[in-house]
Amino acid sequence: DIQMTQSPSSLSASVGDRVTITCRASQTVSTYVQWYQQKPGKAPKLLIYAASNLEGGVPSRFSGSGSGTDFTLTISSLQPEDFATYYCQQSFSTIPFTFGGGTKVEIK
Amino acid sequence: QVQLVQSGAEVKKPGASVKVSCKASGYSFTNYWIHWVRQAPGQGLEWMGTINPNGGNTDSAQKFQGRVTMTRDTSTNTVYMEMSSLRSEDTAVYYCARDKENWNDVFHFWGQGTLVTVSS
Repeated sequence: DIQMTQSPSSLSASVGDRVTITCRASQTVSTYVQWYQQKPGKAPKLLIYAASNLEGGVPSRFSGSGSGTDFTLTISSLQPEDFATYYCQQSFSTIPFTFGGGTKVEIK
Repeated sequence: QVQLVQSGAEVKKPGASVKVSCKASGYSFTNYWIHWVRQAPGQGLEWMGTINPNGGNTDSAQKFQGRVTMTRDTSTNTVYMEMSSLRSEDTAVYYCARDKENWNDVFHFWGQGTLVTVSS
């Protein structure tokens, strides 16, 4: 199975900060990586697909980059509604389609 | 609009089985695979398996093989996930999710989740 390792597992940031979350795959996954946002008690929401494609309706302050084994989710200017947990997910291998462990973004 | 509506919360005893449903609407049911993802309390997301509503073929993570059965009913646009031999570690919220158009294995639309509690 391909392991997806996210860092950090949590971070504290202020409104307006630039936030970067990284995800490393245990083997190459090309650009088959997605990013999801999850708020407490809610289902995850797709933000970024295929490493860098912004899902429709997602604010442009979110961006994704990377290929191979190293990927990044960036929030250019953190907004109050962005405090949540973020997960990466790979869809390169057949199965299983593994997720990273999550990064909780908290208010400083 | 695309909607996935799941069945309600369940409480089961260890060793029992549970069957969770996911009713799809707003799109052509047989055109998109449905996935099952679970989340234990305070934990991350875990992909369990997937079903092709067009034909009913399935794939699942090795840890669930033999214990999880996924089926579909095309007359009601509903997929089901049944898990047997439940243990306390199976306590989790179970989500169904649909593929994004033209992008396999990208989880675009999600159900609201079904909490399954396994307790004696």
